[in-house]
Amino acid sequence: EAGVAQSPRYKIIEKRQSVAFWCNPISGHATLYWYQQILGQGPKLLIQFQNNGVVDDSQLPKDRFSAERLKGVDSTLKIQPAKLEDSAVYLCASSSIAGWGVYEQYFGPGTRLTVT
Amino acid sequence: KNEVEQSPQNLTAQEGEFITINCSYSVGISALHWLQQHPGGGIVSLFMLSSGKKKHGRLIATINIQEKHSSLHITASHPRDSAVYICAVRSSGSARQLTFGSGTQLTVLP
Repeated sequence: EAGVAQSPRYKIIEKRQSVAFWCNPISGHATLYWYQQILGQGPKLLIQFQNNGVVDDSQLPKDRFSAERLKGVDSTLKIQPAKLEDSAVYLCASSSIAGWGVYEQYFGPGTRLTVT
Repeated sequence: KNEVEQSPQNLTAQEGEFITINCSYSVGISALHWLQQHPGGGIVSLFMLSSGKKKHGRLIATINIQEKHSSLHITASHPRDSAVYICAVRSSGSARQLTFGSGTQLTVLP
């Protein structure tokens, strides 16, 4: 079974530029998550999708961050414009059970963003 | 106070030592995960616990629901075990989402 795919793996941009990350979850996984992990901290949930609908985006800085999952499969996360404090690893994860209950999240390799 | 606290933050051990990483949480949970993160960012799920104890190879995870505490043990540690170990909980009130600890950086020296 192929894992969660993310691209690019690394990105360096200047502040005020735009950047987009892509995630392809494990086939058949209805739930997709985007996390931000700042160096030395645990991951922080940015947005959670259930199929192509948003379940939770309460911690997404909506003035500059946006995400979509148009066909309920792969997803993109965009930052426009980027700030220095956006430097972090952006992790995508997916899981197979849509409702309540115990389930596993499978993580992608992450995209390391450096904003200079 | 964070909902999930890990200790220690950093741990250096000699190859072969027995290692314990602790996780305490302050909310009611439906499950607790132990995750391993290698340099480069990728995260691998090691265990998912809701009670008792699980063992996989040299790794053992235990959880005490009453005390809101979990431990991850590594027996006969090896340099390839060097990684960040993260505890994450799924609260009873939000079964779909995980709250993460800040991680424990483990370095095992040969």
